[in-house]
This record gives sequence, C-alpha cells and structure tokens, in this order.
Amino acid sequence: DAGITQSPRHKVTETGTPVTLRCHQTENHRYMYWYRQDPGHGLRLIHYSYGVKDTDKGEVSDGYSVSRSKTEDFLLTLESATSSQTSVYFCAISDLQGRVREQFFGPGTRLTVL
Amino acid sequence: AQKITQTQPGMFVQEKEAVTLDCTYDTSDPSYGLFWYKQPSSGEMIFLIYQGSYDQQNATEGRYSLNFQKARKSANLVISASQLGDSAMYFCAMREGAAGGYQKVTFGTGTKLQVIP
Repeated sequence: DAGITQSPRHKVTETGTPVTLRCHQTENHRYMYWYRQDPGHGLRLIHYSYGVKDTDKGEVSDGYSVSRSKTEDFLLTLESATSSQTSVYFCAISDLQGRVREQFFGPGTRLTVL
Repeated sequence: AQKITQTQPGMFVQEKEAVTLDCTYDTSDPSYGLFWYKQPSSGEMIFLIYQGSYDQQNATEGRYSLNFQKARKSANLVISASQLGDSAMYFCAMREGAAGGYQKVTFGTGTKLQVIP
C-alpha cells in the first residue's frame, strides 16, 4: 500500500473557525491532490500540487487554500469553515515513474462543520 | 454534460453470481484512461482496474474485468463470482490526457453494490 496518511481522521468544528487538514506521503511522489466526497457527487477535485510550492485550483476550490512546502506534505486550509464544507476529504498522490495508471488515496478525513 | 455517468445508484447480486456495473464516459481527448475504485463501508478508496484508451484488450484483474466498448464510450465493470466482501460503493473514473504527470481525473457518482447470501 502507498504510504499516505491524513490527519486528523475526524474533526468537528464550528462555523467561522479555521481548519487545516494534513496529507503526508512517504512515496516521494510529485503530484498530490485534495478531493472532497459528498453523496450524489462522487469525488471532486479541490486543489492539486505538481511540486513544492506549485499548486493550482481544481473544480471546487472556493473557500479552500493549499500549501506545499515539502514534497511529503500537502496542507488543505479552510480559512473560515462553513456548513457546506462538511464532507469527507481525501488526499491522493501520483507520479511520473513507470506506467503510472492510478492515483493512490489516503484514508480520508471526515470533517463536520456545525 | 457529465463526463462520467453511472446510472445505477444501487444494485443487488446473489453471492457467487456475476454482476455488471455500468459506466459511460464523455471526452474528446484521444488519450485517456478509465479506472474503477471500490469503497467499502470503512471508507478507503481501493483501486481495482485500469483501461487505457489505446489498449487493444479488455483489462482483467482476478475476478474483475473491464468491458471496454470504445465506440459506445462505455467501460463497464464485471465482477465474477460475487462474494460478500464485494458489498461496497464502486466508482468509475476517467483520466483525460496521457498517463503520467498531472492527472485530471473525473469521478462518477458511484454504484452501491450489495451482495446477498
């Protein structure tokens, strides 16, 4: 299994508070992604990173920011959490080596915004 | 238009029977890849099978096979000899563009499969 961890695994917070989710990988993969999963929507891309300090927006980036200061860490920040950001958040990684076929996913973080 | 369509929100299958989960896709990119992921109730995303747009043969991985019909833009997952542990949500996904590098992947909304003893 790819070495991807997410922290925290569960979080309950209140509307208006800042929240940071962390994704850590031990695979030295170049590309990292943040998705959110909601019923009826599958997984939707929030932001992705193609290298240290290189990030770009995905399909549903409003209200989220990211940072990547090291290859192994990709942080997702909700500057002021809203109830619509209650979701399960997945981090994923991929790389250029070999016949890269799939993204490897972390275990997910369940976030509840009250 | 939806890039990935899974029309079966839920399905039942008898244990030991085969089941087909439908997936249609929409892209104008000649190079793309199609994936199926399994998400059990524990929540993790498990990669099952991959089909590249230029692959001549249908992909197979153990009990999983991908029925790739390029002209119809369909990529159905076939699970043979269903087991109770196959009960899960299944997602079809598509990568547009060549493999490697940044992968723009679009996911379907999923099909919940329940295997009946």
